[in-house]
Amino acid sequence: AQRVTQPEKLLSVFKGAPVELKCNYSYSGSPELFWYVQYSRQRLQLLLRHISRESIKGFTADLNKGETSFHLKKPFAQEEDSAMYYCALSGGGSARQLTFGSGTQLTVLP
Amino acid sequence: DTAVSQTPKYLVTQMGNDKSIKCEQNLGHDTMYWYKQDSKKFLKIMFSYNNKELIINETVPNRFSPKSPDKAHLNLHINSLELGDSAVYFCASSRGAAAGYTFGSGTRLTVV
Repeated sequence: AQRVTQPEKLLSVFKGAPVELKCNYSYSGSPELFWYVQYSRQRLQLLLRHISRESIKGFTADLNKGETSFHLKKPFAQEEDSAMYYCALSGGGSARQLTFGSGTQLTVLP
Repeated sequence: DTAVSQTPKYLVTQMGNDKSIKCEQNLGHDTMYWYKQDSKKFLKIMFSYNNKELIINETVPNRFSPKSPDKAHLNLHINSLELGDSAVYFCASSRGAAAGYTFGSGTRLTVV
């Protein structure tokens, strides 16, 4: 079974402060990890995927297999980063099903 | 030019009614999905479907039935709607898990 845990339901930081959204996963094989973002009342958008090792909107995430974590980080938060962030895992297979964490609502205060 | 489009965007209906939500993707993806986002913003998969196989999540009541006339469309039909069905339903598609999903804008269903 695959599981994704986001321990923080709500996270508030001030503009310009560093931010880290935590994500831990449970999966017996080699997972593919993603971060999705949902701005207020909008569709979910893919933010990052671990295989591409890219930085989008200043966000980065590193897969740590030892700690089974895929935390999302940004050194200087901006007000427009306020959104719901979901960590997701795909274990592969024919269904290619994504399992989502419960989400973290990030609020960046002015 | 919307990649994944859902209709309607909002749906308000009475308990006991039957309703359908439509989803279409123009990305040429081979797999489509339905997710339910509840009032606590938790996302849970309901179905995944490609042109060869329908996979039903066993926790979904059989009042929910996906229908796929072709691989670009995956509709969701709901019979005998209940108050607990109120949620936002998202359609998504993918070509492979490594590429991630593309989501529709969601259908906000309210059962009164």
